Amino acid sequence: DTGVSQNPRHKITKRGQNVTFRCDPISEHNRLYWYRQTLGQGPEFLTYFQNEAQLEKSRLLSDRFSAERPKGSFSTLEIQRTEQGDSAMYLCASRPPGLENEQFFGPGTRLTVL
Amino acid sequence: KQEVTQIPAALSVPEGENLVLNCSFTDSAIYNLQWFRQDPGKGLTSLLLIQSSQREQTSGRLNASLDKSSGRSTLYIAASQPGDSATYLCAVRVTDKLIFGTGTRLQVFP
Repeated sequence: DTGVSQNPRHKITKRGQNVTFRCDPISEHNRLYWYRQTLGQGPEFLTYFQNEAQLEKSRLLSDRFSAERPKGSFSTLEIQRTEQGDSAMYLCASRPPGLENEQFFGPGTRLTVL
Repeated sequence: KQEVTQIPAALSVPEGENLVLNCSFTDSAIYNLQWFRQDPGKGLTSLLLIQSSQREQTSGRLNASLDKSSGRSTLYIAASQPGDSATYLCAVRVTDKLIFGTGTRLQVFP
C-alpha cells in the first residue's frame, strides 16, 4: 500500500496519560501535515513539516502537544497529560513538492480520553 | 481570517436526483480548493482539486466549479446513488495548510 498510513487506528486512554501517534507519509512527499477533527466539525490544522523542519504550528497546539519528524520521513504526534477535550480524530496528510499539488490523507487515529 | 462555510449542513434525497452542494469562503487569496468525501469514522478521500486559475473540474458524475472572485464553489453530483451517502467537505488552501468547512452530510435513499 503506497498511501499515507497512521498507527494506531484507535486509542483509548485515561485522562492524564500520555499518548503518541505515528504517521508514515507517501514516499517522496516532503511535506507532512497534522489535523484534528472533532465530532461534527471539519478538520482543523495543527502543524506541518517540510522535510524535518516544523514550519508552522496552530494556536490549537498547546504546550501538551509536540510533533516531530526527525529524519524527514515518518512523524509522531505526542499528547501529554491527556484531557477529555483531546478526544478527536487525528488526521495526517502528505504532499509532494510543487505549489499546485494536493494533500493526501491517511485513515486517521481516533483518540478517546476517558 | 479565512472562513469556509458549507450549505446545506445535511441533505436527504431519493436515489437518482441531481444534487448541488455549496461552499463559500471569505478570502479569495487561495491557491486551490479541494472537495473531499468522508465516510463515518474514516479518513478523507479527495474527490476533486481545482486550482485558483481554473473554473471547474469533472470526474465521472461529479463536477466542481470555482468562482474565486465571489468566494464560491459548488459540487454537482449527477444521478445520485445510495453509495454516495457520506459527508462532503470542501477545503481551501491558504499558504501551506487547508481550511475546511464543516461539511454537508448527504444521505441518498433507495
